Amino acid sequence: AQSVAQPEDQVNVAEGNPLTVKCTYSVSGNPYLFWYVQYPNRGLQFLLKYITGDNLVKGSYGFEAEFNKSQTSFHLKKPSALVSDSALYFCAVRDRRNDYKLSFGAGTTVTVRA
Amino acid sequence: GAVVSQHPSWVICKSGTSVKIECRSLDFQATTMFWYRQFPKQSLMLMATSNEGSKATYEQGVEKDKFLINHASLTLSTLTVTSAHPEDSSFYICSAEKTGSYEQYFGPGTRLTVT
Repeated sequence: AQSVAQPEDQVNVAEGNPLTVKCTYSVSGNPYLFWYVQYPNRGLQFLLKYITGDNLVKGSYGFEAEFNKSQTSFHLKKPSALVSDSALYFCAVRDRRNDYKLSFGAGTTVTVRA
Repeated sequence: GAVVSQHPSWVICKSGTSVKIECRSLDFQATTMFWYRQFPKQSLMLMATSNEGSKATYEQGVEKDKFLINHASLTLSTLTVTSAHPEDSSFYICSAEKTGSYEQYFGPGTRLTVT
């Protein structure tokens, strides 16, 4: 079975400060890892993914994430947050041996205050 | 890009009626599409995997006779909520995987309200 944990329901930061959204995962085999962002009443927008290769992945809107196999983590980071980054963020994992099926974390609401 | 559309974006229906939601991949072909359900401020719950030309695979606890899925072409999957009840009110989101990309592209969602 595969699962994702996002330990923080909410993250609050001031604009211009670093933003980190935490994610840990559990899979039987090697993972594919993803971050998505959701704005109110909208579908999910893809931010970035880790498939293989460099552990540091750079994605859309200045976000990046680091795959840490020993800690089974894939934390999302942004060096300088913007008010427009306020949204709901989902981490997702797919076991390479479990065709197609994505498992999502519970989501983390990010609020960036001006 | 890889764009997925859904129609309608929102629908209100009366209890006992059926509602069809369409999911289209606009600029790529998708042999597999997915249907999710999302409750307010909660995560996405996979309902079923829709395979072009074959029967959908439903997740445990999802009634296949209530949530009918048809994937008639490489760009279109439909979800029909039959005999809808107020508890079926939810946000339904579809996604499609672009071959070789390993990532799913999500539609904008459909807000269903059953009165």
